[in-house]
Amino acid sequence: DGGITQSPKYLFRKEGQNVTLSCEQNLNHDAMYWYRQDPGQGLRLIYYSQIVNDFQKGDIAEGYSVSREKKESFPLTVTSAQKNPTAFYLCASSIVGGYEKLFFGSGTQLSVL
Amino acid sequence: DAKTTQPPSMDCAEGRAANLPCNHSTISGNEYVYWYRQIHSQGPQYIIHGLKNNETNEMASLIITEDRKSSTLILPHATLRDTAVYYCIVRVAGGGADGLTFGKGTHLIIQP
Repeated sequence: DGGITQSPKYLFRKEGQNVTLSCEQNLNHDAMYWYRQDPGQGLRLIYYSQIVNDFQKGDIAEGYSVSREKKESFPLTVTSAQKNPTAFYLCASSIVGGYEKLFFGSGTQLSVL
Repeated sequence: DAKTTQPPSMDCAEGRAANLPCNHSTISGNEYVYWYRQIHSQGPQYIIHGLKNNETNEMASLIITEDRKSSTLILPHATLRDTAVYYCIVRVAGGGADGLTFGKGTHLIIQP
C-alpha cells in the first residue's frame, strides 16, 4: 500500500543532543513537509520541499534542519538549538499542483528526558 | 489566505448528523474551502473541498453559502470513530507548495 511512514513513533532526546526523525513516502510525490503540533494547538510548518535537493524554511525553522537527497525521503533533525523540542511531529507529502491535498504520516512524539 | 473561525468544540449523538460550521467572511473569489480531520495521535486526513457548489463524497457533504462567507461540513450518520478535530482551511487551489495553515479546529465528540 502507498503511504507515508514516519519513524520512530516515540523518541526521547537528552539535553544537548541532536535527534533525527525519519519520513519516507512511496506515493511518488514531489512535495514534502514537516509540521510541529503542540498539545491542543494547530499545526505549524517547519520546513517544506518542492523538489529533490531543494527545501524552504517554514514558520518555525529555527533549531531544525532537513535534507532532501531522495524523492522518497525527507528527514528532520531536531538540533540542540531547539530549546523546547517536546511536541508531535508530522510529515506530509503532496503532488505537484495539488498542494492543498496533503497526505500525512502517523507522526512521531518527541520528548525530552 | 483568508482567515477561518470555527467553534472550539461540539457534541453530537451517535447516528445523528454532525454539522460543523466554519466562518470565512474574507474569502476571495478564487479561494477554495478545504476540510481535514485529525483523530487523536494520528496525522490529519483530507475530507473534502469546494469552491461554491455543494460537494459530496463518501465521507461527508460540504455546503457553502451563496455569498461564500461560511460553510458547513456534514457527517450524515456520525459514528464514534468520527470523534476527531476538524479543520476548515481556505486556500487558492494550485497555489505554492508552502503548506497549509491548520488552526485549532473544532473538536467533535460523538456521544454513544
